[in-house]
Amino acid sequence: AQSVAQPEDQVNVAEGNPLTVKCTYSVSGNPYLFWYVQYPNRGLQFLLKYITGDNLVKGSYGFEAEFNKSQTSFHLKKPSALVSDSALYFCAVRVQDTGRRALTFGSGTRLQVQP
Amino acid sequence: DTGVSQDPRHKITKRGQNVTFRCDPISEHNRLYWYRQTLGQGPEFLTYFQNEAQLEKSRLLSDRFSAERPKGSFSTLEIQRTEQGDSAMYLCASSEGLTQANYGYTFGSGTRLTVV
Repeated sequence: AQSVAQPEDQVNVAEGNPLTVKCTYSVSGNPYLFWYVQYPNRGLQFLLKYITGDNLVKGSYGFEAEFNKSQTSFHLKKPSALVSDSALYFCAVRVQDTGRRALTFGSGTRLQVQP
Repeated sequence: DTGVSQDPRHKITKRGQNVTFRCDPISEHNRLYWYRQTLGQGPEFLTYFQNEAQLEKSRLLSDRFSAERPKGSFSTLEIQRTEQGDSAMYLCASSEGLTQANYGYTFGSGTRLTVV
C-alpha cells in the first residue's frame, strides 16, 4: 500500500519570505514522488518530481523539494514566495518497479501568500 | 494539440441517470488515466490505459463505472445509475510512456459532475 500525508491544510506566508509545504509518504519499496499545483478552475499542473539521484530537486516557477529517505519526507520549498504562488498544492507518490501506474495523492495544502 | 481536453466541463444529472464523459489526451501520449476528486481531497485513482488496453483499475471503480479507450486515442468514462455520492470532479491525465517518470502526467481541467 502507498500513502501520502500533508499535515497542514493551509500555510500562510508573507510575500518575499521563504515557504515550506510539508509531505511525508509511505510505500513498500522505492518511491517516485511528485508535487502538483492546482489553481481555481484549472487542472493540476506538474511542478517537480523525484525519481532517483540528487535529493534536492528543482522544478518549475522556482520551487524545489528535498527527498529525505530516513524521514520519508518530500517537502516543497521556495526561497521567496510570490502572491501568485497562492494555490492548492498536492504531493503524490507511487512505488517504483512494480508496473503499477496509480499515483496516490495527499489531501492537499492551501498556500496563501499575503502581499 | 496543446493539452488534455475533457468534455463536458460541467454536468448536472438526476440521480439514477447515466452519464458519459470524454477525454482527449495529448496526441502522442499512449497512457491515459482517470482520477476522481471530491471537495477538500486529493485526486483518487480510478483506472489506467496503455493504448487501448485497460491495465489497472481501482476498487473505487464499481460495477456502475466503465471506461473505454477503443482506438488508443480518446477515452470515455460512463457512470450508470448515478448516485449523489458520485458528485465529484473527474480528471483525465495522459503521459508518454518513455518519459512519464520524468515529466509526470498532464492533467485536463476536469468534468464536474453534480448529481441531484
